[in-house]
Amino acid sequence: DAMVIQNPRYQVTQFGKPVTLSCSQTLNHNVMYWYQQKSSQAPKLLFHYYDKDFNNEADTPDNFQSRRPNTSFCFLDIRSPGLGDAAMYLCATSRTTGGRGLETQYFGPGTRLLVL
Amino acid sequence: DAKTTQPNSMESNEEEPVHLPCNHSTISGTDYIHWYRQLPSQGPEYVIHGLTSNVNNRMASLAIAEDRKSSTLILHRATLRDAAVYYCILRDGWGGGADGLTFGKGTHLIIQP
Repeated sequence: DAMVIQNPRYQVTQFGKPVTLSCSQTLNHNVMYWYQQKSSQAPKLLFHYYDKDFNNEADTPDNFQSRRPNTSFCFLDIRSPGLGDAAMYLCATSRTTGGRGLETQYFGPGTRLLVL
Repeated sequence: DAKTTQPNSMESNEEEPVHLPCNHSTISGTDYIHWYRQLPSQGPEYVIHGLTSNVNNRMASLAIAEDRKSSTLILHRATLRDAAVYYCILRDGWGGGADGLTFGKGTHLIIQP
């Protein structure tokens, strides 16, 4: 009964070679998030989709983009991965309510990206 | 979101209660207190949240100070499976929107058998 699914769990790419990470959800939630978590650090929000509306964090590099073709799927595209982009990438979902304080986010297991 | 302060790490013995503190002296009246935890090699998972009153669920209890400037997550009987990083996060409950979570450094909980 997996709710937020991320495949693969491990992804290896080459320096500068575009890579796409995928996330799907069975919760029918209207919001999907992407977080980056580097080794021994806390997760950091990259961007999120509120329905079809894309919301980018101010300090997210242009190298990172996202697509959400439908409610269930969301993709993270890294156009030219550098060594510093090696990290765990976490997808999360939530259903908005009357206020942010009430919503719970559900995380997937993450995809660990290795850049060679 | 307002800032929280947690100890870097705590250690406890299996089957004993654990009290994880969090300071949030700049909390506003509309901020909810959320706790998430991240087990090794997994994504974070929701634990509990509250506004003013103490809260209980199947995972834990949340004790909130009367002035709301601090809170404590209580694991009543810790097991080895509770070893994780625990994050205390404030979320503004005013208005709609769907901003992401702002994680602090969290507390690394070590459980000794």
